[in-house]
Amino acid sequence: AQTVTQSQPEMSVQEAETVTLSCTYDTSESDYYLFWYKQPPSRQMILVIRQEAYKQQNATENRFSVNFQKAAKSFSLKISDSQLGDAAMYFCAYRTNFGNEKLTFGTGTRLTIIP
Amino acid sequence: EAQVTQNPRYLITVTGKKLTVTCSQNMNHEYMSWYRQDPGLGLRQIYYSMNVEVTDKGDVPEGYKVSRKEKRNFPLILESPSPNQTSLYFCASSLQGYYNEQFFGPGTRLTVL
Repeated sequence: AQTVTQSQPEMSVQEAETVTLSCTYDTSESDYYLFWYKQPPSRQMILVIRQEAYKQQNATENRFSVNFQKAAKSFSLKISDSQLGDAAMYFCAYRTNFGNEKLTFGTGTRLTIIP
Repeated sequence: EAQVTQNPRYLITVTGKKLTVTCSQNMNHEYMSWYRQDPGLGLRQIYYSMNVEVTDKGDVPEGYKVSRKEKRNFPLILESPSPNQTSLYFCASSLQGYYNEQFFGPGTRLTVL
């Protein structure tokens, strides 16, 4: 079974600075997708970025980018030019290509933005 | 507007009183799933459905039932709720295929006294 680990329960960053959230996972599969979801105080789950395991190039979405290290099973999220609206819980998730295609989530990192 | 809706958004009930949380999506998605979110545990899958009349257990199915009679609806049934089912529940849907984004409903906060 796959597991996803987020070792930083809480992080904080000054507004306009850059912050990196860590995520590691364990799997024996070679074909899968990785996701970062944002959960603001409204509780809505919002997709931030996704990465296909077979793509070596790191995904980027505006101020959000990932550092995907397949051999190390690491999938960190970098947020550049942090804004107050980035304050949220961030979840790393793994989606298998087999069986039930379920999302396996980490325990989350709560990000605080300091004005 | 493409969306996943859940009702109710908030529910306080008592032990043993049967309840249903509805979930509906308007995106013609084949795949639907229920998750529960608990502090320090992230989101865990309860049940999923790959298509109409096809459902199966996730990681934490005990105490829950589901049905998928129509493509758009995937209700979650708690026949005899207990306090350990107090949680935040999310319904999600996607097109078939692991590369597709799962769209989440707004969540249902359930308290069982």
